[in-house]
Amino acid sequence: GDSVTQMEGPVTLSEEAFLTINCTYTATGYPSLFWYVQYPGEGLQLLLKATKADDKGSNKGFEATYRKETTSFHLEKGSVQVSDSAVYFCALSFRYGGSQGNLIFGKGTKLSVKP
Amino acid sequence: KAGVTQTPRYLIKTRGQQVTLSCSPISGHRSVSWYQQTPGQGLQFLFEYFSETQRNKGNFPGRFSGRQFSNSRSEMNVSTLELGDSALYLCASSRGDREGDQPQHFGDGTRLSIL
Repeated sequence: GDSVTQMEGPVTLSEEAFLTINCTYTATGYPSLFWYVQYPGEGLQLLLKATKADDKGSNKGFEATYRKETTSFHLEKGSVQVSDSAVYFCALSFRYGGSQGNLIFGKGTKLSVKP
Repeated sequence: KAGVTQTPRYLIKTRGQQVTLSCSPISGHRSVSWYQQTPGQGLQFLFEYFSETQRNKGNFPGRFSGRQFSNSRSEMNVSTLELGDSALYLCASSRGDREGDQPQHFGDGTRLSIL
């Protein structure tokens, strides 16, 4: 079935370090891809999205490119801050068919950034 | 613009009881989805409602049910509670009128604890 696999955490970085969180997916169709972020005690916030191959989503210094050939959507940021400490979820959903409103999530990667 | 509102934020119940959770979507959003988040299983899709009709359903037992009202507010009900139902229940809304690429906006969740 359709699924999302993320690198396992936790990931601990120093402030201003480069961040990569790997995400790969398995899907029978052509999904839209998302990164969500969850801060302690809160729900999920959409960080960025990409709806077709080679699209690049970006927001708040974070970027991810939809790579169909490698079925990947890796999250990157050039210089992390302490305020980026959170849990990051990669997710997919489908544009057509009966899967509207159904996000399939990876297990999440906890990021801790030290000053 | 008000976000997605979930009530209550916290609930404590005992095994065998039933519970109803409420979700008010962002104004203008007609799609409401529900997710269960646990440390072991991660984020799992429960069901989605659009214009008062269940449009999609995840792989949960019949004890989990929901409904949507004409103002798009949604409720989720769990009957005969089990210890394993302890989780954070998240609600998400979207416009839902374009297939697949409308991002979902999440509430802060209801933390349900079963004793």
